[in-house]
Amino acid sequence: AQTVTQSQPEMSVQEAETVTLSCTYDTSESNYYLFWYKQPPSRQMILVIRQEAYKQQNATENRFSVNFQKAAKSFSLKISDSQLGDTAMYFCASGAGNNRKLIWGLGTSLAVNP
Amino acid sequence: GAGVSQTPSNKVTEKGKYVELRCDPISGHTALYWYRQSLGQGPEFLIYFQGTGAADDSGLPNDRFFAVRPEGSVSTLKIQRTERGDSAVYLCASSDGGVDTQYFGPGTRLTVL
Repeated sequence: AQTVTQSQPEMSVQEAETVTLSCTYDTSESNYYLFWYKQPPSRQMILVIRQEAYKQQNATENRFSVNFQKAAKSFSLKISDSQLGDTAMYFCASGAGNNRKLIWGLGTSLAVNP
Repeated sequence: GAGVSQTPSNKVTEKGKYVELRCDPISGHTALYWYRQSLGQGPEFLIYFQGTGAADDSGLPNDRFFAVRPEGSVSTLKIQRTERGDSAVYLCASSDGGVDTQYFGPGTRLTVL
C-alpha cells in the first residue's frame, strides 16, 4: 500500500524569501509518480509540479523545485521568492504506474506574510 | 480550453435524501476520477473511470455511493440516503489516460443536515 506523510501542518514565510515543504512517502511500486498540488481558499486543486520516479533529475517549474531523494523516499518542495499568491494548502500526492488513483498527504498550510 | 467543471458548487440536503453531483471533464480526457475531501484532510480516492467503465471503484465507502459515466464524458456521483458523515467537498479530476497529470474541478461542497 502507498502512504504519503506531510509532517508540517502549518508553515509561514516572509514575502520574497524561500521556504521548503516536506513530504515522505512509501510505496512498493517500482514505477510511480509524485506530485505537489496547491489548494487556495477557492478549493481548486492546482498542479504545482510533477516528478517521475525513474528520472534522477529534480523537477523545476519557475520558482518551484523539488528535492527528490529516492532512497530516502523524500520529496520536498522548495518555493523561491515567495509571493503573497502562494498562500494556500499544499498537498503532496503519489500515483503508481498501474494504479491510477492518487494517494494524498494531509497537507501543509502555507502563509506568505508581507 | 475549458477546465473541469462541477455542479452544483454547493449542495445542502437533509439526512436521508438522495443527491447527484455532476462532473464535466476536460474535452478528450479519457480518465475521470472522483475524490472526497473532508475538512482538514487530503483528498480520498472514491472511483476511477477509463472511458465508460469504472476501472477501480475500491474507494466507494458503501453501497449508498454509485457513479456513472454513460457516454465516456460527463460523470454523475450519486449518493442515496445521505448521512451527516457524507458532508465533505467532492472533487472530480480528469486526465489524458495513463498516469498522467490529473486536472481538478472546483469541487462540490455537500452539507448534510
